[in-house]
Amino acid sequence: DTEVTQTPKHLVMGMTNKKSLKCEQHMGHRAMYWYKQKAKKPPELMFVYSYEKLSINESVPSRFSPECPNSSLLNLHLHALQPEDSALYLCASSHSDGVNDEQYFGPGTRLTVT
Amino acid sequence: RKEVEQDPGPFNVPEGATVAFNCTYSNSASQSFFWYRQDCRKEPKLLMSVYSSGNEDGRFTAQLNRASQYISLLIRDSKLSDSATYLCVVFTGGGGSNYKLTFGKGTLLTVNP
Repeated sequence: DTEVTQTPKHLVMGMTNKKSLKCEQHMGHRAMYWYKQKAKKPPELMFVYSYEKLSINESVPSRFSPECPNSSLLNLHLHALQPEDSALYLCASSHSDGVNDEQYFGPGTRLTVT
Repeated sequence: RKEVEQDPGPFNVPEGATVAFNCTYSNSASQSFFWYRQDCRKEPKLLMSVYSSGNEDGRFTAQLNRASQYISLLIRDSKLSDSATYLCVVFTGGGGSNYKLTFGKGTLLTVNP
C-alpha cells in the first residue's frame, strides 16, 4: 500500500483565518514532506521532516507552520495567509530522506485564500 | 544552466507512436533520478526510478548518461492514458539538512486518437 492521505481536499479561507492541513501515511516511512504547487509549475519543496524532526525549511514564511506529531502524521498550520498563497499543497513521504528513497505523494489540498 | 532542464514540449503524438523525453542536470554530483507523471489537477505519481544501467518497465524505458548528465524516458506504443505531464526529478546531496530534490518544469504529452 503506497497511500498518503490528505485532508481536506479543498479549503477556502480568509486572510485572517487559522486553518490546518493534515497528512497521514501508514507505510512506516520516516521522512515526510510538504510541497506547494502553482498551476503549470512543478512542486516546490517547503519542509522536510526526518524521523519526526524538521530538517529542511526552504525559507518558508512563518505564516506556514509545520508540525509532525508522530511518524505517521504531518500537519501544516496556516495563519494570516495572502491570496498569492493559493495553490495545491502536496504532502509526500519516503522510507527515509536518503539517496534512493522514492517519494509518494498524497492527492493534495487545493487552497484558495480570499 | 538550470539545475534540471526538460524538453519544453508540448508533445502531441498519435496513439501507437513512440515518444522520447530528455532531461539534463547541471550538478555532476547528483546521485539519483526519477520520472514522475502528473495528470491534470492530480498529484505526481512515481513512474520509475532511473538506474545507471538503464531500466525498463513494460512500454517505458529510462536511461541515464552520467558523462553527458542527462536522463531520458522512452514511451513505446503510446496510449491515450499516457497523456500527462512528465516530471524529471534529480536528487543531489545527503540526508538531513543536505537534502536536495529538484524537479524539472515538466513536459506535457498529449496522445491523440
